Amino acid sequence: DAKTTQPPSMDCAEGRAANLPCNHSTISGNEYVYWYRQIHSQGPQYIIHGLKNNETNEMASLIITEDRKSSTLILPHATLRDTAVYYCIVRVPTSGTYKYIFGTGTRLKVLA
Amino acid sequence: DAGVIQSPRHEVTEMGQEVTLRCKPISGHDYLFWYRQTMMRGLELLIYFNNNVPIDDSGMPEDRFSAKMPNASFSTLKIQPSEPRDSAVYFCASSLWGTNTGELFFGEGSRLTVL
Repeated sequence: DAKTTQPPSMDCAEGRAANLPCNHSTISGNEYVYWYRQIHSQGPQYIIHGLKNNETNEMASLIITEDRKSSTLILPHATLRDTAVYYCIVRVPTSGTYKYIFGTGTRLKVLA
Repeated sequence: DAGVIQSPRHEVTEMGQEVTLRCKPISGHDYLFWYRQTMMRGLELLIYFNNNVPIDDSGMPEDRFSAKMPNASFSTLKIQPSEPRDSAVYFCASSLWGTNTGELFFGEGSRLTVL
């Protein structure tokens, strides 16, 4: 079962910041938070990940609360091409590797 | 790099027929994952392999489903016999243990329709 909960959908105006929340209240100390997105019916694409510190890369920023029970993905200047389903995932260690269990995601629509 | 390659991209078959989906992971990657995506259930992890060995197949829905990885560059997911409820998009993904991101690289998927 997925360990994350996300709102089913959000809208964002083009050029504005998109802030996508995620709850992961049962996360364990060694479990990372990952974000992927899926555009149309393409394969999901990696965006960013983090453990407890805030992270930033060329695509987005990830803000993780101090208690690690929730996080927010920030797309600083959303464009129409950012319209996609965004998945927040907790990477679960298992059998010497990790499992990535996808939840239902947030469908982000960027409006012109 | 060509990325993860899946075939066929689209498959339409009749109930009872055997279906074989194929995946070529990124060269050098040591983990391979099969996912299934439907509107009702979202993305479900079916099975994953490490160095060609199946590690966890607890997500495989039933005995009609089987997966193999005969070598590091090829994997198959077989459904025999197929049923209409197997209609879905099947994704293959690969990753390399020990990288900084632990990122999964997905293929474009195989869309299966069982009539």
